[in-house]
Amino acid sequence: QVQLVESGGTVVQPGSSLRVSCAASGFTFSSFALHWVRQAPGKGLEWVAVISFDGSSQFYSDSVKGRFTVARDNSKNTLSLELNSLRGEDTAIYYCARAGPHIALDSWGQGTPVIVSS
Amino acid sequence: DIVVTQSPDSLAVSLGERATIHCKSSQSVFYSSNNKDYLGWYQQKPGQPPKLLIYWASTRESGVPDRFSGSGYGTDFTLTINSLQAEDVAIYYCQQYHSPPFTFGGGTRVEI
Repeated sequence: QVQLVESGGTVVQPGSSLRVSCAASGFTFSSFALHWVRQAPGKGLEWVAVISFDGSSQFYSDSVKGRFTVARDNSKNTLSLELNSLRGEDTAIYYCARAGPHIALDSWGQGTPVIVSS
Repeated sequence: DIVVTQSPDSLAVSLGERATIHCKSSQSVFYSSNNKDYLGWYQQKPGQPPKLLIYWASTRESGVPDRFSGSGYGTDFTLTINSLQAEDVAIYYCQQYHSPPFTFGGGTRVEI
């Protein structure tokens, strides 16, 4: 079955950088677009970024554009999100999710927490 | 950017009754090329990741009970939960995936 497992979340200081990852299994990784979605404590879902199946195109929310970079390694079935110039408002659980054949997000990981605090 | 607005923010429904959640997009999410509305509905229970319920505005994901139904087109959509069960207590989100950024609505909390 489809499995997405995020890792790399931790406590970091404002202005620092961090990379979170998502290991995928149970499906043909290179055939699907992948998304990052985050959720601040007690808040709703915020879409962050998407990368196409082959990595050739990426899109970002305005709140992270220029600071975050999404990438994938289809040889290792791994998705990553590089977070730079972190701010307090970036504190959230970061989920990776697969865009299914119908393009909606049909499989989600359990999330990894990122806490930005001095 | 397409803004997605949900209403109400929360609602309380008796067991066995119907819950109705509305979602409105600031622009049409319809693609005439395939006659689809690019709108999905998700359920999130406490401590869990979201779960896809409905895609293309009205198609139930595999395994989703048929008491969940989606309707609407263009800019106005509805999620209906018929005969509410205790396990349906959750927050429900709509999302447009017509064009990036693929925005979510603010969520609707459903309680008994």
